[in-house]
Amino acid sequence: AQSVTQLGSHVSVSEGALVLLRCNYSSSVPPYLFWYVQYPNQGLQLLLKYTTGATLVKGINGFEAEFKKSETSFHLTKPSAHMSDAAEYFCAVSDLTGNQFYFGTGTSLTVIP
Amino acid sequence: DGGITQSPKYLFRKEGQNVTLSCEQNLNHDAMYWYRQDPGQGLRLIYYSQIVNDFQKGDIAEGYSVSREKKESFPLTVTSAQKNPTAFYLCASTGGNSRRVEAFFGQGTRLTVV
Repeated sequence: AQSVTQLGSHVSVSEGALVLLRCNYSSSVPPYLFWYVQYPNQGLQLLLKYTTGATLVKGINGFEAEFKKSETSFHLTKPSAHMSDAAEYFCAVSDLTGNQFYFGTGTSLTVIP
Repeated sequence: DGGITQSPKYLFRKEGQNVTLSCEQNLNHDAMYWYRQDPGQGLRLIYYSQIVNDFQKGDIAEGYSVSREKKESFPLTVTSAQKNPTAFYLCASTGGNSRRVEAFFGQGTRLTVV
């Protein structure tokens, strides 16, 4: 089974500062990779995904992530944090059938005004 | 618009009572999933179904049951055997399409034992 590790269960950044949320996965075969965002008492919303092709993936709300096979990483970044970015972020991987998903334990992002 | 609908949004259960959480999708997706979310523990898979009339246990299936009689519907029953059911429950689906491999989520049901 695959596993996903999100380093840092809580991350705080100042408004306007760089956001970096870390995600590493364990897989001998590059899987599909995802970042989801969750606001309180809501479901998960897809931010971005990597399937094939360009390793730098751009998503919604100014977020992007880079797939690095050699590091088995898929870190999420945003150049300038906004107050509305405060939420829980989940990294996930799936196998190539797309039928089995594995989620990290989540990172809670706080944005300080 | 296509999507996943979970109901109710909030649910209260008395000790020893079974309750059923509804999940309906109109995305024509084959696979559906139930996850439980507790603070600090991320999402844990309860059950999943890849086709109608078939489903498999996930990591924490004890105390839960499901059915998949229709492609669109995947209800979850929390039985009295589940000793700590208070949690946020999320339903998801995937289409298995090579272009849309992501999981789509409902808005969740918050279950509280009273």
